[in-house]
Amino acid sequence: ETGVTQTPRHLVMGMTNKKSLKCEQHLGHNAMYWYKQSAKKPLELMFVYSLEERVENNSVPSRFSPECPNSSHLFLHLHTLQPEDSALYLCASSQDSAGTQYFGPGTRLTVL
Amino acid sequence: GENVEQHPSTLSVQEGDSAVIKCTYSDSASNYFPWYKQELGKRPQLIIDIRSNVGEKKDQRIAVTLNKTAKHFSLHITETQPEDSAVYFCAATLNDYKLSFGAGTTVTVRA
Repeated sequence: ETGVTQTPRHLVMGMTNKKSLKCEQHLGHNAMYWYKQSAKKPLELMFVYSLEERVENNSVPSRFSPECPNSSHLFLHLHTLQPEDSALYLCASSQDSAGTQYFGPGTRLTVL
Repeated sequence: GENVEQHPSTLSVQEGDSAVIKCTYSDSASNYFPWYKQELGKRPQLIIDIRSNVGEKKDQRIAVTLNKTAKHFSLHITETQPEDSAVYFCAATLNDYKLSFGAGTTVTVRA
């Protein structure tokens, strides 16, 4: 349960705020992911980093900006979000492109 | 890209009965198929997975079957218990980092 951690667990922000989500993995994995989980929708892959390089950017609006300073940490910087961005944001990690993905507990984001 | 469809969206079963969830995928090159269980307010957790060189895999009360020709795979839960109540997601990937998820099945086990 503590292999992938995320902070904060809950976040409420206004549309003009700037905030960051943090993810940390303690599994020695080389790849990290950001997903968006909205009600009644499949998990949506947002970004993938492998060995600190972005390998996937799934047509995500520029108001979401990822950062991967090292293989253990992943950030998602948020600015000028919209109410429809309210969702559960999940981080995951895997050993490599073929490895099982392990999820963090998520950050429940509410944009007012 | 890969497209995964999952059915049913909701499933209610009597405790002790079996539950079956089916998924279809579009890309015949997909070769890894994990299943995740997500309890209310918790993270998705891997419960079982299968690779394309295997047709069936079992772990206690949970089994997964894969039909590559028909491009579908299924999760089977036998002797269901109340703690099996959760949302279950199937997924498929070409091992290119991208997991395509189904929309989920909400399973309710009635006591």
